[in-house]
Amino acid sequence: GNSVTQMEGPVTLSEEAFLTINCTYTATGYPSLFWYVQYPGEGLQLLLKATKADDKGSNKGFEATYRKETTSFHLEKGSVQVSDSAVYFCALFKNTGNQFYFGTGTSLTVIP
Amino acid sequence: ETGVTQSPTHLIKTRGQQVTLRCSSQSGHNTVSWYQQALGQGPQFIFQYYREEENGRGNFPPRFSGLQFPNYSSELNVNALELDDSALYLCASSLRQDNSPLHFGNGTRLTVT
Repeated sequence: GNSVTQMEGPVTLSEEAFLTINCTYTATGYPSLFWYVQYPGEGLQLLLKATKADDKGSNKGFEATYRKETTSFHLEKGSVQVSDSAVYFCALFKNTGNQFYFGTGTSLTVIP
Repeated sequence: ETGVTQSPTHLIKTRGQQVTLRCSSQSGHNTVSWYQQALGQGPQFIFQYYREEENGRGNFPPRFSGLQFPNYSSELNVNALELDDSALYLCASSLRQDNSPLHFGNGTRLTVT
């Protein structure tokens, strides 16, 4: 079946540190891949997406590359800020069933 | 533009009761999806509505049902509530029924006692 596995948190980093949150997926065919973010007290919102192999999604300094060969979509940021503290969800979309599949989320706390 | 709004924000029900949750989609969005998010878990897809028809369903029993109205707002109904139904219920709207990004509401926290 289709599924997403992401690294467990919580993750705590100092400001300006490098961030990687690992995400791997299981799916047939060519799903679209997404990262959603949930800031404290807010609803989930799209951070970035990639719709085909080797595409790179980017937004707010975050990047993720769709790697078909390793079925991965790892989230990276070169220098995190306190305002990046949030829960990050990796997700895939399959046309079959018009369904998004979400990972369990990774909580990130950035300390000054 | 108006975002996705859900009501109520919190709800407490007793096992066996029925509940209706409501969602207004973002303006211009004709597709609404519902998700269940248990504590510490990611959202789980319940179903999707497009032009008032259910056109995708996750692994949830028939006692979870929904409606979409001509103005694209939606309801989620859950019958015969069980303790395990306690969760955050999220509504998300999107421009189309494809891989268009989801726009989420803040959710309804349902507690079943």
